[in-house]
Amino acid sequence: NAGVTQTPKFQVLKTGQSMTLQCAQDMNHEYMSWYRQDPGMGLRLIHYSVGAGITDQGEVPNGYNVSRSTTEDFPLRLLSAAPSQTSVYFCASSYSKGVGYTFGSGTRLTVV
Amino acid sequence: LAKTTQPISMDSYEGQEVNITCSHNNIATNDYITWYQQFPSQGPRFIIQGYKTKVTNEVASLFIPADRKSSTLSLPRVSLSDTAVYYCLVGVHHSSGSARQLTFGSGTQLTVLP
Repeated sequence: NAGVTQTPKFQVLKTGQSMTLQCAQDMNHEYMSWYRQDPGMGLRLIHYSVGAGITDQGEVPNGYNVSRSTTEDFPLRLLSAAPSQTSVYFCASSYSKGVGYTFGSGTRLTVV
Repeated sequence: LAKTTQPISMDSYEGQEVNITCSHNNIATNDYITWYQQFPSQGPRFIIQGYKTKVTNEVASLFIPADRKSSTLSLPRVSLSDTAVYYCLVGVHHSSGSARQLTFGSGTQLTVLP
């Protein structure tokens, strides 16, 4: 089925560990983004990409890296996990102007 | 980035029409207005998008006045399953180069009562 696939769905990390959250879409969307959502809050933009090889920072980029080597994949890397990064992470993609985002089902990350 | 203001929460009863208004006073000429719905433990789901006047789909209607400084999402005859958080976003994607990214506010928690 077409859509945005995020893996893993759940993850527990120890402080200082690194990991990569995976995001893949099969809709040939140019635009992809990563958001985090903390309890009772809206989504905050971490990083985004307007196409393969092009990425930029959002509102809360510190502690995260991204790359976009292909149109389909947009992984999010946590360099050295901290408890403040405990959150639910959503990946989203869209066509260019005028079309809304399609979101993945999220990755729930806990850093202890 | 264009900021939006929505009510924090709203209650309604099954079968009623619900209107959620969003203010976006600094909307730019090229900005679209988009509404999303989010259920607990799920990613947001696209509901409707518009630029001006009125847009209607099978789920909702979106009313945008001429000055575009606000918009109203209208949900006809809500049911219990419409209980969710609704987000209003303002932004646009450019065809190349940097994109004006969508920023989510805190949204409106709609609770539909029996």
